[in-house]
Amino acid sequence: GENVEQHPSTLSVQEGDSAVIKCTYSDSASNYFPWYKQELGKRPQLIIDIRSNVGEKKDQRIAVTLNKTAKHFSLHITETQPEDSAVYFCAASISGNQFYFGTGTSLTVIP
Amino acid sequence: GAVVSQHPSWVICKSGTSVKIECRSLDFQATTMFWYRQFPKQSLMLMATSNEGSKATYEQGVEKDKFLINHASLTLSTLTVTSAHPEDSSFYICSESKGPYEQYFGPGTRLTVT
Repeated sequence: GENVEQHPSTLSVQEGDSAVIKCTYSDSASNYFPWYKQELGKRPQLIIDIRSNVGEKKDQRIAVTLNKTAKHFSLHITETQPEDSAVYFCAASISGNQFYFGTGTSLTVIP
Repeated sequence: GAVVSQHPSWVICKSGTSVKIECRSLDFQATTMFWYRQFPKQSLMLMATSNEGSKATYEQGVEKDKFLINHASLTLSTLTVTSAHPEDSSFYICSESKGPYEQYFGPGTRLTVT
């Protein structure tokens, strides 16, 4: 099955700085890559996603890049704010069905 | 968006008993439902996929006789943890799909087995 690795496991940044989280996947058939934000004890919330026919997607302060050849995708958060503090998960999916999640990154934005 | 509910939100049970968790889509009909478990500070691990009216497909390493999934209708799926043990204590989250690329997560159920 699909194996998704995510780095770093923890990340601390100063407010206003950028944060980058990286994921790799193993199954070349994966073609859909969502990113989720999860606050403690709550459900994951979709923040951005990208499909394999696109190399980059941006939504305000959040962007995702995808390198299909390297089987690598990244989340970029610019101008971080304290409310961005949460655990972020990447996932990989074949055609948007079963999602296989990365191991998570705990992001702390220091005011 | 779409609304998915889970019940109960938390449950404590004794070792050896069974616990049923419900997952409902409140404003849409879900073609497919997924069950995940999440240990503290760990990732969501896909347990099984179910389509209405058919048997669930379990991921490798997940015991189908221990984690019984019933997908009775397009709006309801249940997960029953049978003969629960302390190591089954976890956060169980369902998600429901309106179609490919559209998964909506429930709020989760925290199970504690004593």
